[in-house]
Amino acid sequence: GAGVSQSPSNKVTEKGKDVELRCDPISGHTALYWYRQRLGQGLEFLIYFQGNSAPDKSGLPSDRFSAERTGESVSTLTIQRTQQEDSAVYLCASSLGGPLYEQYFGPGTRLTVT
Amino acid sequence: AQSVAQPEDQVNVAEGNPLTVKCTYSVSGNPYLFWYVQYPNRGLQFLLKYITGDNLVKGSYGFEAEFNKSQTSFHLKKPSALVSDSALYFCAVRDPNRDDKIIFGKGTRLHILP
Repeated sequence: GAGVSQSPSNKVTEKGKDVELRCDPISGHTALYWYRQRLGQGLEFLIYFQGNSAPDKSGLPSDRFSAERTGESVSTLTIQRTQQEDSAVYLCASSLGGPLYEQYFGPGTRLTVT
Repeated sequence: AQSVAQPEDQVNVAEGNPLTVKCTYSVSGNPYLFWYVQYPNRGLQFLLKYITGDNLVKGSYGFEAEFNKSQTSFHLKKPSALVSDSALYFCAVRDPNRDDKIIFGKGTRLHILP
């Protein structure tokens, strides 16, 4: 079946512009996660959606970052007034609900802020 | 608070030798533990998980991991390394009593030398 998809795969933007990244999770997966991975670094948790519960936004680095999810489907991560330090790969993952299920990751969106 | 540590940034192993990638964790109660792998220019993939039962868990690509409750460890192992095992490996932990975000280690880069 289809895996997690993300778009665009690459995004180059100028400093100060807004960008929107999209994630399509696996159908039936109630949990959705966003992570940031800087070059050669580990995963930095950003936000977690679980069903209709309030999202866990504890990882968002500033108020320039926001994310939405429509029901149990598509999610968008928006970065306003992008800065050069926002350059990274943004990864989305989905899983069945509950802590015992593994996550399935998308291929990521590589964001470059010039 | 739950946490996970991967004490080695990089591990070098000769091809054909056994490999170990270390992971220790801290969580209240019994943990759910995961290993993920990120091959060069590819997305993160689930390798294996420990939920309950047998302490030795077998996963993809010939990898296995041993849950050791007394040492709070979940080291990843493979009896005979392949050059193609060279990748970035992430250990992760979840508290089964909390439906919140998974905690990832910072990653260990495994180099298999031909």
